Amino acid sequence: NAGVTQTPKFRILKIGQSMTLQCTQDMNHNYMYWYRQDPGMGLKLIYYSVGAGITDKGEVPNGYNVSRSTTEDFPLRLELAAPSQTSVYFCASSSTDRGQETQYFGPGTRLLVL
Amino acid sequence: AQSVTQLGSHVSVSEGALVLLRCNYSSSVPPYLFWYVQYPNQGLQLLLKYTTGATLVKGINGFEAEFKKSETSFHLTKPSAHMSDAAEYFCAVTLGSGGSNYKLTFGKGTLLTVNP
Repeated sequence: NAGVTQTPKFRILKIGQSMTLQCTQDMNHNYMYWYRQDPGMGLKLIYYSVGAGITDKGEVPNGYNVSRSTTEDFPLRLELAAPSQTSVYFCASSSTDRGQETQYFGPGTRLLVL
Repeated sequence: AQSVTQLGSHVSVSEGALVLLRCNYSSSVPPYLFWYVQYPNQGLQLLLKYTTGATLVKGINGFEAEFKKSETSFHLTKPSAHMSDAAEYFCAVTLGSGGSNYKLTFGKGTLLTVNP
């Protein structure tokens, strides 16, 4: 199993550009999440999904959009990139099975908006 | 709503010394508690978790943590630090099983430095 994979690993965007961060998991997990990590701030939840076709906002959703058309994929879309979106983005997934609450994280995407 | 406070953004210990990373939580219902570790330029990896049952939980790499409801704490310890323990550690809480209760709330992290 590859677990949770994210692409790209690193990207530089100009202000106003858009891009999609890809996330795929092969563990058949129902739940998927997007976080951003800023220095000294921990991880903040952007969006999450409880299953294909169902998404909901987290703590910091402004400037982002998501979709979940399959169990495996949960892309994060940035429209009109701003310097404030410079961050490291982590995708994670978890199972709804009792006792399986652990979230598994991908390696992250580093985004720099200039 | 739940919250997590990690006391000390940076902890420095000598190799072989006790590691103690502090975490206090706030939750309106019995929480599930987690410690994750992040090595440089990597994602987060689960160290250990408390859901129900025994309040002293053991994790990977010799770490353990004790859930103390009366103190609303879940401090992480390791008897003897190793150079390879140098990383950032995150405490996290969720309200437990079901629906959006799976959302984790993270502390701001504690960077552990191990000196030779």
